[in-house]
Amino acid sequence: ENVLTQSPGTLSLSPGERATLSCRASQSLSSSYLAWYQQRPGQAPRFLIYGATSRATGVPDRFSGSGSGTDFTLTISRVEPEDFAVYYCQQYGSSPITFGQGTRLEIK
Amino acid sequence: EVQLLESGGGLVQPGGSLRLSCVASGFTFSTYAMTWVRQAPGKGLEWVSAISGDGAYIYYADSVKGRFTLSRDNSRNTLYLQMNSLRAEDTAAYYCAKNLRDGAAAYEYWGQGTLVNVCS
Repeated sequence: ENVLTQSPGTLSLSPGERATLSCRASQSLSSSYLAWYQQRPGQAPRFLIYGATSRATGVPDRFSGSGSGTDFTLTISRVEPEDFAVYYCQQYGSSPITFGQGTRLEIK
Repeated sequence: EVQLLESGGGLVQPGGSLRLSCVASGFTFSTYAMTWVRQAPGKGLEWVSAISGDGAYIYYADSVKGRFTLSRDNSRNTLYLQMNSLRAEDTAAYYCAKNLRDGAAAYEYWGQGTLVNVCS
């Protein structure tokens, strides 16, 4: 099983600051099969990034994904008030599908 | 507009059964793989089961294998998850999700979820 470890567990920032969220895989991901999701309280996850770097339809360009192999990053260039949420990475390159434990982005 | 509407959750005793449904609209249902993902209260996301567009290929997490059965009715645009021998650790919100495309099990659209509570 490819274990995904996200860091930090909680990230405290002010609106307008840059957010950098990390996701590390225990095994190298084939073809960068990594996705990112945002989950606000009481809501279903929202699809943000796939293929490590491609933004999903309708996702603002302040969200960007990077990385390959075992190290991946989600960057929010300037955090907006609606971005405070929990973020999950997910690998879909090997079975079973696995998710990271999440990073909570909170208002400082 | 893609919509996924789950139903069938509720309170059940350990050892009991439930059948979850997910009705899809806004896309050609039969051409997309579909997935169930669950989230225990206050916890992260866990992949549960997936099925190919034609229903020929079905996959399960080890935690539910032998107890849960995934199926689909493409004529009704509906996905089903039959859950038997339920345990306390199956308590979670269950989300139905549409795969991005064949061979890409990233989840483009999600339903709002249905709650399953296994409790005596």
